[in-house]
Amino acid sequence: SQKIEQNSEALNIQEGKTATLTCNYTNYSPAYLQWYRQDPGRGPVFLLLIRENEKEKRKERLKVTFDTTLKQSLFHITASQPADSATYLCALDIMEYGNKLVFGAGTILRVKS
Amino acid sequence: GAVVSQHPSWVICKSGTSVKIECRSLDFQATTMFWYRQFPKQSLMLMATSNEGSKATYEQGVEKDKFLINHASLTLSTLTVTSAHPEDSSFYICSAKRTSVATDTQYFGPGTRLTVL
Repeated sequence: SQKIEQNSEALNIQEGKTATLTCNYTNYSPAYLQWYRQDPGRGPVFLLLIRENEKEKRKERLKVTFDTTLKQSLFHITASQPADSATYLCALDIMEYGNKLVFGAGTILRVKS
Repeated sequence: GAVVSQHPSWVICKSGTSVKIECRSLDFQATTMFWYRQFPKQSLMLMATSNEGSKATYEQGVEKDKFLINHASLTLSTLTVTSAHPEDSSFYICSAKRTSVATDTQYFGPGTRLTVL
């Protein structure tokens, strides 16, 4: 069956450290993978998109890697801040589904000062 | 730029009534709009895709007669939950894209919390 797995346990880290979140998928062949931030009671906010032929993408303190062999994406936040605390969702863009987004359940990140 | 609004932000209704949720792209024209629902601690589930001026395309398992979608203009889509029941209580989120290009960003609204008593 097709699955997207994100760590269901919250990630608690100290301010200033690098947070690393994982997104694993099975039985999908995404053309693109996207990461979103979602705050409680709010809609997701787009962060980064990485294509299947890209290994890494950076944006300010954010870095995303995409390994289509391992079927895994890693999302890094360097120099984390309490304001980074939120739920982070990965989403696969599936061409055979008409480029619809399929979301993971998200991982809660808590950055403590 | 690229702001999507939803109204209302929350609604409580009695079982059997209908509820309409509006989704607007405030500063851009949206070729395509999407409607999702999200249960607590679960992922967003796509309900339907709508293009301006045409009928919405519903995902498998989503009743089109229960969840009526109207994409009347390039800036407005509405979702009407008809004859709502407690199991329809959820967080409904819309999103909009400027174009149908796959890599074009989806901009999400803030969501609408529906509680059916």
